Amino acid sequence: QSALTQPASVSGSPGQSITISCTGTSSDVGGYNYVSWYQQHPGKAPKLMIYDVSNRPSGVSNRFSGSKSGNTASLTISGLQAEDEADYYCSSYTSSSTWGFGGGTKLTVL
Amino acid sequence: QVQLVQSGAEVKKPGASVKVSCKASGYTFTSYGISWVRQAPGQGLEWMGWISAYNGNTNYAQKLQGRVTMTTDTSTSTAYMELRSLRSDDTAVYYCARIGGASIDYWGQGTLVTVSS
Repeated sequence: QSALTQPASVSGSPGQSITISCTGTSSDVGGYNYVSWYQQHPGKAPKLMIYDVSNRPSGVSNRFSGSKSGNTASLTISGLQAEDEADYYCSSYTSSSTWGFGGGTKLTVL
Repeated sequence: QVQLVQSGAEVKKPGASVKVSCKASGYTFTSYGISWVRQAPGQGLEWMGWISAYNGNTNYAQKLQGRVTMTTDTSTSTAYMELRSLRSDDTAVYYCARIGGASIDYWGQGTLVTVSS
């Protein structure tokens, strides 16, 4: 059982926007601004897309954005492109000085 | 550029141990932590624990306590993860990753560990 809850799948058409949610508790997502999002293509290592809730690493497209409200964080991808089709995972630092991951969301670009 | 290069695939029998290495380059090794994350076939990411490369302090996931040991060799900028008493459900790709601030930022390429009799 994953520490954080994500929808199993989301889909959208090219050019549209989608949002993936990540729900935790006050001991992780709600208690710290240390939520990260990762993109993983099949057979590849995860890639950091968002850190500290809403910051983009250098080189990540500004079509990716993050936010948080209470115990739920969100990743929004605007202007969907075929290359965005992948699995997405959220992660949060926790009050136990550990990290938890969400179960992952499969994004399908229709 | 930051790089984490892991050792090659392993095949182990149930009850055996495995030790995976992760050589870091492109940054000051002792200024960051290293986390280990695994992914069973077709499954999600599972956080295993982390080690401070500065002082060697560790924190392991509760379910792996007693079976996992994480170490570092600062002379070679290499981190190690040893998992003992292997079971079939330990079959997974094991990743090392750098901890930058409070986020896991750069990842190794992964090491497939297969546990089979």
